[in-house]
Amino acid sequence: DAKTTQPNSMESNEEEPVHLPCNHSTISGTDYIHWYRQLPSQGPEYVIHGLTSNVNNRMASLAIAEDRKSSTLILHRATLRDAAVYYCIPHNNNDMRFGAGTRLTVKP
Amino acid sequence: EPEVTQTPSHQVTQMGQEVILRCVPISNHLYFYWYRQILGQKVEFLVSFYNNEISEKSEIFDDQFSVERPDGSNFTLKIRSTKLEDSAMYFCASSATQRSGNTIYFGEGSWLTVV
Repeated sequence: DAKTTQPNSMESNEEEPVHLPCNHSTISGTDYIHWYRQLPSQGPEYVIHGLTSNVNNRMASLAIAEDRKSSTLILHRATLRDAAVYYCIPHNNNDMRFGAGTRLTVKP
Repeated sequence: EPEVTQTPSHQVTQMGQEVILRCVPISNHLYFYWYRQILGQKVEFLVSFYNNEISEKSEIFDDQFSVERPDGSNFTLKIRSTKLEDSAMYFCASSATQRSGNTIYFGEGSWLTVV
């Protein structure tokens, strides 16, 4: 599995954009980059994933570097409900393994 | 939206007792997983299951643990002779395929307390 590096924690103000970075320099060519989040006392929740191109969905956007060695999850307008631990997971045809993630705090 | 459901939501058990945690995966999914999360720690992979057999397991998943799909809808995790260090939140998950672009859906978890 590719090793990932994420900040331990980040803070954001409510209704402001948040950019959550992830380095995955050892990613293989066939790994998709998945982002999950875990709200307090809940199970992990899928956010978004991509391979090479940037991706958008109703929850977030994913910007993937051209060399694929890093990616950024973008929450366009953070809400209090977005306070969670965010996990970046390069994933191939094997079982998904979680790192420590980034704990996002959203201030009102 | 379809979801993975788990029971019980919380169980307290005496050390040395057997525990069975139950999960109903999303109905058309073929791959099933158990993860655990000790309080304050990261989510850890335990085991994956496909076609009625274990496809991969971590070093945590020792002889104390077993999984079973007893019927067409349930997926269970059995912990024999529980230890204090088995206290954790256990998450069941399922996915339609195991291809790299696939999404894994998690349940809300079963909180196990061993006393």
